[in-house]
Amino acid sequence: RKEVEQDPGPFNVPEGATVAFNCTYSNSASQSFFWYRQDCRKEPKLLMSVYSSGNEDGRFTAQLNRASQYISLLIRDSKLSDSATYLCVVDSNYQLIWGAGTKLIIKP
Amino acid sequence: SAVISQKPSRDICQRGTSLTIQCQVDSQVTMMFWYRQQPGQSLTLIATANQGSEATYESGFVIDKFPISRPNLTFSTLTVSNMSPEDSSIYLCSVAVAGGGSTDTQYFGPGTRLTVL
Repeated sequence: RKEVEQDPGPFNVPEGATVAFNCTYSNSASQSFFWYRQDCRKEPKLLMSVYSSGNEDGRFTAQLNRASQYISLLIRDSKLSDSATYLCVVDSNYQLIWGAGTKLIIKP
Repeated sequence: SAVISQKPSRDICQRGTSLTIQCQVDSQVTMMFWYRQQPGQSLTLIATANQGSEATYESGFVIDKFPISRPNLTFSTLTVSNMSPEDSSIYLCSVAVAGGGSTDTQYFGPGTRLTVL
């Protein structure tokens, strides 16, 4: 089992819709969780950190479920510009482990 | 945050040659990281570079193949030695800014797209 797993997608979503995807992790001792966004042929950029109490930034909400060992990302009122690959990142044994990403395509 | 630049942005190289990638940061940072990302794949950490000490390599990566320099707190280089087509990938450097540790938020350079023929 991979340490960090994501559904690769693609998720094809109409503009304005709400979309959510999860990321599961295997190390129950993990403490740091992040969502990064990576546009095609670009470097990853931090979208948001995920705290135990959750985190909300505008249309984006991230949640942590320690019992089931997953984090989630919810995007409301999706925009065409939200099309990207979303990478889940979790710490394990003092390093960051990167998921392979979930590809999101927002269609007009 | 940090502003990170990498050179070259892309290169096409012949098998058996070596390429050195430079990474420059606009502020002093303790830890710099070198990653590789194959198309459609997740990021794989190659090594962690601390100023004044030997780089720490991850399983599957060795210093002879990927020598790293870290001469000061704002600069690092990664060399891909004796290249083969399997080394074709995007190479990314990153820095941890907030707490500076290996599990803190990381910021990335724009990457170097390497193609080995």
